[in-house]
Amino acid sequence: DVKVTQSSRYLVKRTGEKVFLECVQDMDHENMFWYRQDPGLGLRLIYFSYDVKMKEKGDIPEGYSVSREKKERFSLILESASTNQTSMYLCASSLWGRSNTEAFFGQGTRLTVV
Amino acid sequence: EDQVTQSPEALRLQEGESSSLNCSYTVSGLRGLFWYRQDPGKGPEFLFTLYSAGEEKEKERLKATLTKKESFLHITAPKPEDSATYLCAVQAWDDSWGKLQFGAGTQVVVTP
Repeated sequence: DVKVTQSSRYLVKRTGEKVFLECVQDMDHENMFWYRQDPGLGLRLIYFSYDVKMKEKGDIPEGYSVSREKKERFSLILESASTNQTSMYLCASSLWGRSNTEAFFGQGTRLTVV
Repeated sequence: EDQVTQSPEALRLQEGESSSLNCSYTVSGLRGLFWYRQDPGKGPEFLFTLYSAGEEKEKERLKATLTKKESFLHITAPKPEDSATYLCAVQAWDDSWGKLQFGAGTQVVVTP
């Protein structure tokens, strides 16, 4: 089974802190994604990466950055956490190609910024 | 711009009461339509991929169908363990990176 593991289930951070969310996948997938999920808004794409050291902005990249130094690991960085970044963060990975491109998700990190 | 709309927002069913969830989509060209199940506090779990109009897929009490403008997720004789939020997402043909555009989801509660 594909496994996508996020380093923390719950995090509480203070406003202004630099926050790191880590994600590891074990299926040698090329693509990795970070989404945030808020009630009534669904999942929104923050950043994605299609290869090591490659990254692309999603729909809501402001206030975030990412790092992909190894194929299996994709990190989301909140440069200076703010209360409006309180959310559920979901990491996903998928194969690159014309078929079988379904994404597999981690268990999520519930981040609260106080 | 790609758009996905799910209805209803919430659905309450009695055990055994079959029903359908709707996912309407607008996309320049459809590479795939995906259904996920999400339990509270957990990440989405992949259910189905549909690629072309007329395609159907089944898994236990769930059946997904696809037309050119919408997809339905039929829940037949649901059980309480089918309670979850069901998410629909589309992937555009001209997207090389596998990005998904999600709907807001339908929250299903099945009572005994």
